[in-house]
Amino acid sequence: EAGVAQSPRYKIIEKRQSVAFWCNPISGHATLYWYQQILGQGPKLLIQFQNNGVVDDSQLPKDRFSAERLKGVDSTLKIQPAKLEDSAVYLCASSLEQGFYEQYFGPGTRLTVT
Amino acid sequence: AQSVTQLGSHVSVSEGALVLLRCNYSSSVPPYLFWYVQYPNQGLQLLLKYTSAATLVKGINGFEAEFKKSETSFHLTKPSAHMSDAAEYFCAVKEGTGFQKLVFGTGTRLLVSP
Repeated sequence: EAGVAQSPRYKIIEKRQSVAFWCNPISGHATLYWYQQILGQGPKLLIQFQNNGVVDDSQLPKDRFSAERLKGVDSTLKIQPAKLEDSAVYLCASSLEQGFYEQYFGPGTRLTVT
Repeated sequence: AQSVTQLGSHVSVSEGALVLLRCNYSSSVPPYLFWYVQYPNQGLQLLLKYTSAATLVKGINGFEAEFKKSETSFHLTKPSAHMSDAAEYFCAVKEGTGFQKLVFGTGTRLLVSP
C-alpha cells in the first residue's frame, strides 16, 4: 500500500512570494489533514477535510493561507504572500474517516522563507 | 481545550538502558492518547495509542506506555534502548467530539549513545 505522498520535499522562497504544496493521501482515505510543524514544536493542525469539505480550519491563517481538496482526493495548500514565520515543515496526513482512526503522515515539505 | 506536556526536550541514554519519556495530559473528559515517533526528514509514525481499554498499552518496536489517571500521565518506556531508537517522540491527545483533531506536545528528542 502506497503511503501519503507530498511534493516538493524542500522549498526556499523569499518573503512576500507565494508557494504551493501538494498532497496525495492513501487511496480510499476520506479524511485529509494539513499540519504545520515549526522547528522545536509539535505539529499544529491547520485544516482538516472530510472528502472535499472542510470540517476544521480554525487555526488556518486565512488572510494568507488557503487549501483545497477538489474531487475529495489530493489536496493543495497555498501560502500567499509568505512571511518569515511561515518557515516550517508542512505535513499532510490522511485517515479512513474522521473518527477514531489512525492518521498516516507523509514525509512533509520543508519550507524556508528568507 | 485538551493539551499534553512533555517534560524534557532532550533525553540521553546509553544503548541497552531503560528509556523513559514523560507525558502529562490535561483533559476534562476521558482522553484518547497517542505516542508518535519521527525520524529525521520523515513524517510521524504511530507507536501506540490509549483508547480507554487496558491501561498498559504495548506498541511497536518494543515500546509501551501506561495510562495513570491519578497522575494524568501517559509515559512511554522501553526496557532496553537501541541505537535505532534515536528520534523525536511526540505525545498527542485527541480533541473534539463531532470532528476530532490531534493536539501534540512539543516533542522529546531521544539520543542513544553506544
